[in-house]
Amino acid sequence: QSALTQPASVSGSPGQSITISCTGTSSDVGGYNYVSWYQQHPGKAPKLMIYEVSNRPSGVSNRFSGSKSGNTASLTISGLQAEDEADYYCSSYTSSSTWVFGGGTKLTVL
Amino acid sequence: QVQLQESGPGLVKPSGTLSLTCAVSGGSVSSSNWWGWVRQPPGVGLEWIGQIYHSGSTNYNPSLKSRLTISVDKSKNQFSLKLSSVTAADTAVYYCARDGGYNYDYWGQGTLVTVSS
Repeated sequence: QSALTQPASVSGSPGQSITISCTGTSSDVGGYNYVSWYQQHPGKAPKLMIYEVSNRPSGVSNRFSGSKSGNTASLTISGLQAEDEADYYCSSYTSSSTWVFGGGTKLTVL
Repeated sequence: QVQLQESGPGLVKPSGTLSLTCAVSGGSVSSSNWWGWVRQPPGVGLEWIGQIYHSGSTNYNPSLKSRLTISVDKSKNQFSLKLSSVTAADTAVYYCARDGGYNYDYWGQGTLVTVSS
C-alpha cells in the first residue's frame, strides 16, 4: 500500500487559515469516510484531531475542521496560533482492511 | 481514561526478533475495540504496522506481514508485537494505540527500538 500524499510543509501567520491536503485513491480516501487527522509535536505521541473526515473529538478546538472531495481529504486550521505549529498526518482505512498514513506535513506558524 | 504503555528491549541485534508489549489500563483489551501498532523511524513519518481484536483476528501491513505477529493476552490486559529478521530499517519509535472506531484515539508514549550490533 502506498502512503497518502501530503505537502511536505505549509506555513501561515497567526490568525490566518491554512489547509493541508491528503490525496489517496478510490481504494482508501475516496472509498471510505474513515479519514482521520493527527497532530504531533516533537517528541510526543500523535493526537487525534479529526475523525471520519470531519468530526472533532471532545476537547479539540473548533478551529480545526476537515472535509473530503473525491480522493482528496483536507484539514483546515483557522485562526492560526503558535501552539498549532506541529506535524500533521492524515490516515485512511483501505479496501484491504488496513490503514495507511500520509507522509506528514510540517506546519510552521510564522 | 484509557492509558497504554509500551515496554520491551531498546536494542535488538540485526536478524533478531523485536518484541514489544503494550499494557492497557483504564480499559479492557476484551472491549469492542481493535488494538494497533504504529511506528515512526527517526525524522520520518508514521507507518501503520497492524492491529488485533480480542478474538485474535488480525490485520497486518502487507509490507511487514511475512515477519510480523501480533497477539493479545486478555488475562494480562495487554497485547504484543513480534517482528522477526529485523534490520536497521526497523529502527523506529514504536507506538501502541487503541482503535476507537476507525480512528486511533488513545496512544502510548512510544518506545525507541534501535537495531544495531
